[in-house]
Amino acid sequence: DTGVSQDPRHKITKRGQNVTFRCDPISEHNRLYWYRQTLGQGPEFLTYFQNEAQLEKSRLLSDRFSAERPKGSFSTLEIQRTEQGDSAMYLCASSLGTGMGAGYTFGSGTRLTVV
Amino acid sequence: LAKTTQPISMDSYEGQEVNITCSHNNIATNDYITWYQQFPSQGPRFIIQGYKTKVTNEVASLFIPADRKSSTLSLPRVSLSDTAVYYCLVGDEHNAGNMLTFGGGTRLMVKP
Repeated sequence: DTGVSQDPRHKITKRGQNVTFRCDPISEHNRLYWYRQTLGQGPEFLTYFQNEAQLEKSRLLSDRFSAERPKGSFSTLEIQRTEQGDSAMYLCASSLGTGMGAGYTFGSGTRLTVV
Repeated sequence: LAKTTQPISMDSYEGQEVNITCSHNNIATNDYITWYQQFPSQGPRFIIQGYKTKVTNEVASLFIPADRKSSTLSLPRVSLSDTAVYYCLVGDEHNAGNMLTFGGGTRLMVKP
């Protein structure tokens, strides 16, 4: 297992377009998280899945954002009608159970630029 | 979750020991202290975690005083490749819930 994979690594889109990102977690991890990181800031939590169930959503996750994790494997994050303020790095992480230590693994992220 | 305070940035030179201190005055009894490292265009990576006294691994040491209101990440003999942002997080390791709460981190620049 090579860790958490995210695709694409970079995405440039025009304002108003829809974009979708994919995350493949570590295979045995039952928890999957999405974070957003803007320049110079730490990552901010967006949402979290345990298996296929989306159990928590941040207030940052407006109604233009939707995330899914069908069958409890990979996950997608879609942003509809993108705005320039959506430009950020979108990070996915996975873990087996609770804890914030060595078992919590991040992917390399998808950098979104909205022009 | 307890709030953490770290210096915004630090400079060092290759071969020096770097100590980054984090304040967490409101740390709870069940909270652990966890440090992450992040390189540009990559996700954060776990470095070290501790509850009290001293923890050491192949990458770093973590010093936690008896009152646990602060902690110090120590990087021995840094190299250029240690240039990164370092985040200090505090939370209940065994019941961390679902999210990690990051502050702004400390941007370490290692110079030749």
